[in-house]
Amino acid sequence: GQNIDQPTEMTATEGAIVQINCTYQTSGFNGLFWYQQHAGEAPTFLSYNVLDGLEEKGRFSSFLSRSKGYSYLLLKELQMKDSASYLCAVRDHSTDKLIFGTGTRLQVFP
Amino acid sequence: DARVTQTPRHKVTEMGQEVTMRCQPILGHNTVFWYRQTMMQGLELLAYFRNRAPLDDSGMPKDRFSAEMPDATLATLKIQPSEPRDSAVYFCASGSLDQPQHFGDGTRLSIL
Repeated sequence: GQNIDQPTEMTATEGAIVQINCTYQTSGFNGLFWYQQHAGEAPTFLSYNVLDGLEEKGRFSSFLSRSKGYSYLLLKELQMKDSASYLCAVRDHSTDKLIFGTGTRLQVFP
Repeated sequence: DARVTQTPRHKVTEMGQEVTMRCQPILGHNTVFWYRQTMMQGLELLAYFRNRAPLDDSGMPKDRFSAEMPDATLATLKIQPSEPRDSAVYFCASGSLDQPQHFGDGTRLSIL
């Protein structure tokens, strides 16, 4: 089976940096995804890691350590529009299925 | 930009009625997924298809839910009969092995 843990809520200030952690336990692993979901909207793809290390995409970066079953999403220069839920998802190695964590609700304050 | 299209966006109906939700995946994507999202349970996978063949529907209540993909441009999720506990947002997503899943805007379903 698979188990994914991430904090339920986080708060941060505009302009700051925030790191959202995700730990997972899985019987098979074929990549880790981060999605952003604004209230009342669909999840949108942010990043994908399949090898260890850091993937950078503008203000957002994602890190993976497969040996530790750990990932984080780093958001820099926070903006008010970054207030959303951030979903960590692990892809099963033998299928295309994504197993989602319950999401981290981030609130950015002025 | 290519998008996953879902209809209807909203559905309100009475308990016992049949509900049909439709999804048009992104052209070229060969996998289609149906998810249900609630505040309590988060995002749950109900069923998924690869190349139109159903691969896993273990997350779906079989007695009332059914998922089909009659052709490459249409996937459907039906609930019959519907119950108040089915109220949720239902998302369709499509992808392929070298592409991340992209989600449609969802169907917000309320069963009275």
